[in-house]
Formats: sequence, structure tokens, C-alpha cells
Amino acid sequence: DTAVSQTPKYLVTQMGNDKSIKCEQNLGHDTMYWYKQDSKKFLKIMFSYNNKELIINETVPNRFSPKSPDKAHLNLHINSLELGDSAVYFCASSQAIPSNEQFFGPGTRLTVL
Amino acid sequence: GENVEQHPSTLSVQEGDSAVIKCTYSDSASNYFPWYKQELGKGPQLIIDIRSNVGEKKDQRIAVTLNKTAKHFSLHITETQPEDSAVYFCAASKNDYKLSFGAGTTVTVRA
Repeated sequence: DTAVSQTPKYLVTQMGNDKSIKCEQNLGHDTMYWYKQDSKKFLKIMFSYNNKELIINETVPNRFSPKSPDKAHLNLHINSLELGDSAVYFCASSQAIPSNEQFFGPGTRLTVL
Repeated sequence: GENVEQHPSTLSVQEGDSAVIKCTYSDSASNYFPWYKQELGKGPQLIIDIRSNVGEKKDQRIAVTLNKTAKHFSLHITETQPEDSAVYFCAASKNDYKLSFGAGTTVTVRA
């Protein structure tokens, strides 16, 4: 009965590869997010989707492409991985604005070698 | 955009003592201020939040205060316990789906 789930939990890959992280929420929320947490624990929003529509894109490189096939899923595809992409990526969801509680997934630790 | 500063970056307290974390924000239009707790290896979890029409909110051992004029808000944890050890994040938002987080405070409660 996990609320927000992500797969995989760990991802180790070589520079230049393409990888995807999947996220699913079973809370019936309308809005989903991707955050990046760097090695200093700083949390920064990357994207937000509301009802499958992109509403936030925080100057993230074009190599990152989110895809929302339906309200319950928001996947993140990353092309041509770089060393600086190494981080923990969190998916989150919320019911709607104004600013309701965001529920975070367990995170995916991406290591680019 | 919104800029949230958080202090201190680390905080060590004796079990039973109080812990206080302070945050300031830059955008006077921000009206929602949540606090998240992140335990090791897990995602952040909301522990308390406050909206701009309220000056103080309390939930058991946790309280948050907001000073809109000075644009700062604080988290107070009383009677700290070992399970309070975690990273705490403040955040600010202005009803635009976007949460701007502070840099986090690592709290260690010494038994």
C-alpha cells in the first residue's frame, strides 16, 4: 500500500548512457513532481505535472525528459548521462494547489561513472 | 525567484532539550511554509506547516512560528528524543505548485 513508489532504488551507469526512472502514486493526486537532491542534501524541483500537463520546468537540461502517461505515473528519462547527474532523484505528488502537502517517494540514487 | 535561507546547518542537542531551526524567505508573496523531516535513506516527510494568515501552530512537541513582516519562520522541537535525529528542511511557496527549500539542518539528538 505504498503511496509514492519509485523504481529502481539504485542506478549505477556509465557516462553517455540513457536511463529511465519510474514513479507511481496511488493517492489519487492530480500533481506530480521530480526533485533532485545533490550530495549536500539540497533539494531542488525539476519538473511538475498537473493532470498530465507540464506546469513547471526549472531550467533543466534538455537531456532530461519527463513523461506522464496518466495522472498516476510520472517517469523521468535521462539521455547522455553526465557525471554531474549523480544525485538522488525524488518523485512526489500532491492533491492540488494551494500548496497542499507533497508526498515523497523513497528516492532513486543515480551514480554515473 | 524565491530564496530560502536556513540556519544552522547542523545542530546537536542533548536528549530532552529543545531544538530551534530558523528560516528566512525573500518573496513577500509566499504564503505557505511547510517543514519536512528526512530520515536516512528515505524521502522527506511533512511534519508541520503554516500559512501566512497564522502566526503560530503547534502539534505535540513540534511548533512553528511565522513573522511575515520580518519574513522569517522557525521550527521548535521540545523534549527532543533520539528519533528526532534527521535532516529538517523548511520551504516556502506562493500557490504556484513550486516549493523552494532551504539547505537543510542535520539534527543529532545525543542520548
